Amino acid sequence: DAGVIQSPRHEVTEMGQEVTLRCKPISGHDYLFWYRQTMMRGLELLIYFNNNVPIDDSGMPEDRFSAKMPNASFSTLKIQPSEPRDSAVYFCASSPSGARVYGYTFGSGTRLTVV
Amino acid sequence: AQRVTQPEKLLSVFKGAPVELKCNYSYSGSPELFWYVQYSRQRLQLLLRHISRESIKGFTADLNKGETSFHLKKPFAQEEDSAMYYCALVNQAGTALIFGKGTTLSVSS
Repeated sequence: DAGVIQSPRHEVTEMGQEVTLRCKPISGHDYLFWYRQTMMRGLELLIYFNNNVPIDDSGMPEDRFSAKMPNASFSTLKIQPSEPRDSAVYFCASSPSGARVYGYTFGSGTRLTVV
Repeated sequence: AQRVTQPEKLLSVFKGAPVELKCNYSYSGSPELFWYVQYSRQRLQLLLRHISRESIKGFTADLNKGETSFHLKKPFAQEEDSAMYYCALVNQAGTALIFGKGTTLSVSS
């Protein structure tokens, strides 16, 4: 298995533009997570899905952020409109059964810069 | 409340010195904890699970329920141990991980 695959690896965009981050989880993993990593706040859980259904989106900063999982092999995190304070590394992770026992497997992340 | 605290942002040691990365947690019941490591600009990788009581790359961590701690230790640091280390706690529902803010370990010769 190729692991959790995220694209793009780097994204530079201008303030006000729409940004879409993509994630392909490991096949057979029922849980998918989106995290944001910044120097100030560390790793923050944004949202997670179980069997393609959003379970907890309480970490999504505001309405500008949205996430979807149309099928078991694909998820997107969209920011519209983007702002400079959204600059961060966004990680996707997946697991076969929540967080217990094995934790999860992370993707390589997308480094987003909003100028 | 469920919370993970890593009190040190940066820990600098010399090669061969002992290392202890601190992690304290707040949790109601029996916690399940992990340590993750992130080498420079790479993905986070699972380092240790407390339930398996394993030793990976010379690192160990013991759960101390009395002190609500899960400190990561290594007797002799190596330069290749330089990385960001995150302590993580499984949430009450068992579905997600709550991370501390991380500690950067810098090992110099």
